Amino acid sequence: ETGVTQTPRHLVMGMTNKKSLKCEQHLGHNAMYWYKQSAKKPLELMFVYNFKEQTENNSVPSRFSPECPNSSHLFLHLHTLQPEDSALYLCASSPTADSDNEKLFFGSGTQLSVL
Amino acid sequence: QKEVEQDPGPLSVPEGAIVSLNCTYSNSAFQYFMWYRQYSRKGPELLMYTYSSGNKEDGRFTAQVDKSSKYISLFIRDSQPSDSATYLCAMSRLQYQAGTALIFGKGTTLSVSS
Repeated sequence: ETGVTQTPRHLVMGMTNKKSLKCEQHLGHNAMYWYKQSAKKPLELMFVYNFKEQTENNSVPSRFSPECPNSSHLFLHLHTLQPEDSALYLCASSPTADSDNEKLFFGSGTQLSVL
Repeated sequence: QKEVEQDPGPLSVPEGAIVSLNCTYSNSAFQYFMWYRQYSRKGPELLMYTYSSGNKEDGRFTAQVDKSSKYISLFIRDSQPSDSATYLCAMSRLQYQAGTALIFGKGTTLSVSS
């Protein structure tokens, strides 16, 4: 295991639902990330938190709302999603977001289907 | 032109074959090059990391960077069924590997049959 745990592993939701994805890291890292992985597309960075502060929002629609209450936990709140939002959502962590030679540790992802 | 191009495959080889996985890129500012391996139903994990041009070897894996051609490769010798996974190339202008500085390819799906 990578030390990054994501729940739930699978989620099916309707377009009017509200749900949340959870990520927890046990590595003592200070940076956490949300990525979206769609079929036949590159990994897309969504949000970056460094020491609990959001440092990047990569033009993500407002129907995705991140929350980082502390350096170990990261949430992605979802509401009024569209079918094209169906994808694998990956959480990752690293020691910080701006130091040399750091690698990303990914969770196993939440496979989201929007009906 | 996309910043990073990677053939998604799938690529199927017999056990023991030498596998070559490749990415091309357009941004000459990229200096740091990575290969991630992603098993089915798992997140990506960093496999190889190289800086600038040249080769780097780690066991059966060799990463090669040709900056003049804007071309990177990952070679797997004596491939095993356990190597079956999706391999993603990634590259960055900056030494830290995180944030929007890190650009991923689409990934190549490899299947090694016994």
